[in-house]
Amino acid sequence: QKEVEQNSGPLSVPEGAIASLNCTYSDRVSQSFFWYRQYSGKSPELIMSIYSNGDKEDGRFTAQLNKASQYVSLLIRDSQPSDSATYLCAALATNAGKSTFGDGTTLTVKP
Amino acid sequence: GAVVSQHPSRVICKSGTSVKIECRSLDFQATTMFWYRQFPKQSLMLMATSNEGSKATYEQGVEKDKFLINHASLTLSTLTVTSAHPEDSSFYICSARGLRGAQETQYFGPGTRLLVL
Repeated sequence: QKEVEQNSGPLSVPEGAIASLNCTYSDRVSQSFFWYRQYSGKSPELIMSIYSNGDKEDGRFTAQLNKASQYVSLLIRDSQPSDSATYLCAALATNAGKSTFGDGTTLTVKP
Repeated sequence: GAVVSQHPSRVICKSGTSVKIECRSLDFQATTMFWYRQFPKQSLMLMATSNEGSKATYEQGVEKDKFLINHASLTLSTLTVTSAHPEDSSFYICSARGLRGAQETQYFGPGTRLLVL
């Protein structure tokens, strides 16, 4: 079992819809969680970080964390074609010195 | 603006030469820096992890004598690809982790595209 698991996709949604990306992690010592967006041929860009249970909203993005279920999600509202990219989930355990990434979910937003 | 810079962005070199790539954290102190490489349409592959002032820890299968990593300060890490060969051609990406504001976070550099002829 991978330490951080994501659906590989591809996930396809129509423009204007909500895209829902999911991630589960296995290491309970993970304390910080990140979502990165990576466009083809580019390096990953940090778009959301979340550290405590609940929801965190930033513009069209909402990250949700449930530590009891070891589950992190990213919702993208009013999806745009420019949101088409691969989204990477990461879990960071400070004391263990580990950053673990999922393999990414590819999202396509169709006009 | 950019939080982590990487230089050069692109390099073409002849087989057998060495190439140095610099990674800098611009507005926070990076206690840990990571080096990844990525082939087209594949996932990030972690090559090594380095902590400031310590020797890098290399992932299995990554030759430490070929990929020299130096993390001399809290804002600078370098990766030197020694005696590069065409199979080393790839997209190399650094990542810096540390406290930025009150929270620990991790950012990626823009990457260096290496082509070895």
